[in-house]
Amino acid sequence: GIQVEQSPPDLILQEGANSTLRCNFSDSVNNLQWFHQNPWGQLINLFYIPSGTKQNGRLSATTVATERYSLLYISSSQTTDSGVYFCAVGVKLVFGKGTKLTVNP
Amino acid sequence: EAGVAQSPRYKIIEKRQSVAFWCNPISGHATLYWYQQILGQGPKLLIQFQNNGVVDDSQLPKDRFSAERLKGVDSTLKIQPAKLEDSAVYLCASSRSGTGGMRGDYTFGSGTRLTVV
Repeated sequence: GIQVEQSPPDLILQEGANSTLRCNFSDSVNNLQWFHQNPWGQLINLFYIPSGTKQNGRLSATTVATERYSLLYISSSQTTDSGVYFCAVGVKLVFGKGTKLTVNP
Repeated sequence: EAGVAQSPRYKIIEKRQSVAFWCNPISGHATLYWYQQILGQGPKLLIQFQNNGVVDDSQLPKDRFSAERLKGVDSTLKIQPAKLEDSAVYLCASSRSGTGGMRGDYTFGSGTRLTVV
């Protein structure tokens, strides 16, 4: 089955810093999504991005499907950005292990 | 629109006991999913329903887990008997169509945190 690897596993930032999270996947997929799981466990859709680039406020994502990776950019991070960021691929949503982000004030 | 509702929010049981979780998807969403999320890992799909039929249950441990979606709306997931390794968060999600994964049309509930002691 599809393998999904995310890096880094943990990331600690000061408020206002920028960051890049990476997702590598083992097979060609025509679906990729990024989710944020907040400290209370709620999973929120961030992007549906099988290819190309999208932006939503301080967050943006780029997927290069031919090279099997996706990047999530967070600019001017805030404490509310803390949580775990998951990449999921395929129609059945195979998830990676996530990147745990901690933003300190 | 109302979100995906799940209950209970937390459950603690002893091993070998049985437990059931309930999910009410977003109104009009034909597809319902149950995921298991073990601490430190991403969610793993257990079962997918399209209306009241099972589309995929390949990762459901059928010797102890069962799920149903009567009338194509609410769903229950049951574990009997529970093992220590079943301790996890059980997430329900719904999408408007069976290709929710293809369109990003996924909405997750808040989950049920199960602890088996």
